[in-house]
Amino acid sequence: DTGVSQDPRHKITKRGQNVTFRCDPISEHNRLYWYRQTLGQGPEFLTYFQNEAQLEKSRLLSDRFSAERPKGSFSTLEIQRTEQGDSAMYLCASSLDDRGREKLFFGSGTQLSVL
Amino acid sequence: TQLLEQSPQFLSIQEGENLTVYCNSSSVFSSLQWYRQEPGEGPVLLVTVVTGGEVKKLKRLTFQFGDARKDSSLHITAAQPGDTGLYLCAGAGSGTYKYIFGTGTRLKVLA
Repeated sequence: DTGVSQDPRHKITKRGQNVTFRCDPISEHNRLYWYRQTLGQGPEFLTYFQNEAQLEKSRLLSDRFSAERPKGSFSTLEIQRTEQGDSAMYLCASSLDDRGREKLFFGSGTQLSVL
Repeated sequence: TQLLEQSPQFLSIQEGENLTVYCNSSSVFSSLQWYRQEPGEGPVLLVTVVTGGEVKKLKRLTFQFGDARKDSSLHITAAQPGDTGLYLCAGAGSGTYKYIFGTGTRLKVLA
């Protein structure tokens, strides 16, 4: 299967700890997105990359969040000094430029619980 | 700030009934997508519409993009229990690939 892969699927951490999530996109996709989703809500945009360049980052993100896509392939999302409000599903998606008709393919997400 | 409001927020219907879900914004979108999401999984794309007034059909699902490209609707005919899920619209403005998601409509179809 060559879909979007996210690791880990679940993460439980204590408040104040740092966590890092990984996303492996579909291999030929040049865009990669990170979203955060809380129960019953739509996904909230965090950031997106085109190849290795981070083109947009949500103003809702504090400086505790950082994302990288060093070689334009996999990406990592790090949250420093986690807070209970960071508990959510973190979703990664990838897409291939199709002049406005691109399709976002999502991974199964990483469920973060901050105790 | 671009926002997408969906209505209704929740919908519980009997198998065989028809329903319509709405996605509204005050902003213009260059394209609009509809997704369905199952619990514990990521959203799965159903359709993309890009032209004002465009109508697309996917079996029992009919999608329409408003003439002004500010709103969209999803109509399901003869709903089945397998249609149960969270329906999400998502749009990107002109010149950006930042896809903003709607607030979601949770549909439950009872057998």
